[in-house]
Amino acid sequence: EAQVTQNPRYLITVTGKKLTVTCSQNMNHEYMSWYRQDPGLGLRQIYYSMNVEVTDKGDVPEGYKVSRKEKRNFPLILESPSPNQTSLYFCASSYQGLAGFTQYFGPGTRLTVL
Amino acid sequence: AQTVTQSQPEMSVQEAETVTLSCTYDTSESDYYLFWYKQPPSRQMILVIRQEAYKQQNATENRFSVNFQKAAKSFSLKISDSQLGDAAMYFCAYSRETSGSRLTFGEGTQLTVNP
Repeated sequence: EAQVTQNPRYLITVTGKKLTVTCSQNMNHEYMSWYRQDPGLGLRQIYYSMNVEVTDKGDVPEGYKVSRKEKRNFPLILESPSPNQTSLYFCASSYQGLAGFTQYFGPGTRLTVL
Repeated sequence: AQTVTQSQPEMSVQEAETVTLSCTYDTSESDYYLFWYKQPPSRQMILVIRQEAYKQQNATENRFSVNFQKAAKSFSLKISDSQLGDAAMYFCAYSRETSGSRLTFGEGTQLTVNP
């Protein structure tokens, strides 16, 4: 089954404790992205990746890091989480086909930083 | 920078009736893509419909259709014969990338369907 998986699905942590949210896709997609969703703001892009070792900042990259060492994985790293990073996070992957592109979203990770 | 605006934070509709959700966007590009996503209580993001800006014909998917007004930069979603399962948060989104690697979302509209 074609899918994007994220782990963990729920996480409660404390300020300053480094954490990683993993994202994996099994569709061999070139493009992957991270978004955060906050009430009244919709989804905002944090980082995106065009392929292995190629990443770029989205609209709200501060406080986050990413890496793309393998095509299927795109982890999101919070080196020193703060309460303003409490949010719902989505990973997404996409490919460009003859009929345009198709994007797949993961199930989301609910992060609470105390 | 591109912006997407959904001016209706909440909407409600009676079951079997029709409802229209509004979306406006700002861009200087001539080629781009527009989307409506549905997010039910499960939080899963589900693509409802997409529109390529170069296509003049409005996209339709079963009970869902759009009214794409390129000059006005407007992209509304019409849901016909509303069903209880249509209750969800709906997001309008824009992308100028043919890869879909960068999406700009609106704030969302919470749709309630009343029985």
